[in-house]
Amino acid sequence: EPEVTQTPSHQVTQMGQEVILRCVPISNHLYFYWYRQILGQKVEFLVSFYNNEISEKSEIFDDQFSVERPDGSNFTLKIRSTKLEDSAMYFCASARDSISNTGELFFGEGSRLTVL
Amino acid sequence: GENVEQHPSTLSVQEGDSAVIKCTYSDSASNYFPWYKQELGKGPQLIIDIRSNVGEKKDQRIAVTLNKTAKHFSLHITETQPEDSAVYFCAASKGSGGGADGLTFGKGTHLIIQP
Repeated sequence: EPEVTQTPSHQVTQMGQEVILRCVPISNHLYFYWYRQILGQKVEFLVSFYNNEISEKSEIFDDQFSVERPDGSNFTLKIRSTKLEDSAMYFCASARDSISNTGELFFGEGSRLTVL
Repeated sequence: GENVEQHPSTLSVQEGDSAVIKCTYSDSASNYFPWYKQELGKGPQLIIDIRSNVGEKKDQRIAVTLNKTAKHFSLHITETQPEDSAVYFCAASKGSGGGADGLTFGKGTHLIIQP
């Protein structure tokens, strides 16, 4: 069964360093998302991406964050200068159709980011 | 913005009994309500969803009901089994289309099935 894959599974970084989290969405999907989950808390929406541009972003997704789809398969989340509060599990998700139509969202297993 | 409240935060039921988890939402424009199951160390997995044009949907032991007037929706699991133990999240989206359909999640319910 096709799945969303994420790398790395766990990354430890120093505060102020740049981090890139990578995702390979399901191959025929067109809508891509990043969510994060701080330990023990709810999943929070960061950004959605469609047709090579950001469709929607939350208040969390400030200038420190950026997303890119550099080729036909990868979807990346970059955090320019990490802060302690960026420590969380970051989930990539994808959908074949917009979930406002008939789409269903499929999540990857997450990348745990620890900022020291 | 949308706010989703979920109750209870922890639910313990005997194996074979039913479990009910309830969510309320604030934005009347929300029209898509999925439920996700998250097992330890894994990403959320969609188990059932409902759109605003229906009031109830069932898939084997799982059902979801939606009351748009009251702005609440519920997950019902019957004949619970040990493998149902997990954290369950409800979510809501108002789906403007074109990818502008970020989900707002509830805080989650830790469901524990007692043998």
